Amino acid sequence: GAVVSQHPSRVICKSGTSVKIECRSLDFQATTMFWYRQFPKQSLMLMATSNEGSKATYEQGVEKDKFLINHASLTLSTLTVTSAHPEDSSFYICSAKDRTKNTGELFFGEGSRLTVL
Amino acid sequence: QQQVKQSPQSLIVQKGGISIINCAYENTAFDYFPWYQQFPGKGPALLIAIRPDVSEKKEGRFTISFNKSAKQFSLHIMDSQPGDSATYFCAANDSWGKLQFGAGTQVVVTP
Repeated sequence: GAVVSQHPSRVICKSGTSVKIECRSLDFQATTMFWYRQFPKQSLMLMATSNEGSKATYEQGVEKDKFLINHASLTLSTLTVTSAHPEDSSFYICSAKDRTKNTGELFFGEGSRLTVL
Repeated sequence: QQQVKQSPQSLIVQKGGISIINCAYENTAFDYFPWYQQFPGKGPALLIAIRPDVSEKKEGRFTISFNKSAKQFSLHIMDSQPGDSATYFCAANDSWGKLQFGAGTQVVVTP
């Protein structure tokens, strides 16, 4: 089956630093990837839609200058949390859509746990 | 605002029993309804999915029932096993390809 890889799986950083999370589709190409944030015991909240070769579209309430998204190729999207603060600590999950299929199915990464001290 | 409402929040079922999780939606533009299973510290994994032109879909022990007129769908887990203990999310996909998740149901299957 289709595999989406996220890296790093866990990251701890100091307040004020920036952290980059990578999302790669390993065996398919994805023109569209999605980034979610999940707090403990809560659902996944869509943050933004990442489109290859164009700007990401952000959901209401998500700061685009805080969460920088780059989708430079058909297999890679990155999320950079800039000037991270403790309230940004969360589980970040990406998903990708296979560009050759129109099933609606999304393939999810394993998630990246960010802890900001 | 949650576009997909899911219940119950948690569920305890004995091994061999049936787990039933319900979801409801309002947006008639939704055209794809997947269920995801998530274990702690892991990303969600697709379990089974259905489109609105089908009223029921079964894959192994997992069955989705879909009621288009009521805008409701449910997941039935037959012969529940301890390994099924996880959080289950229903979701709905709109025409933009965005997946809207329900709040999740934590299922615990007791031996």
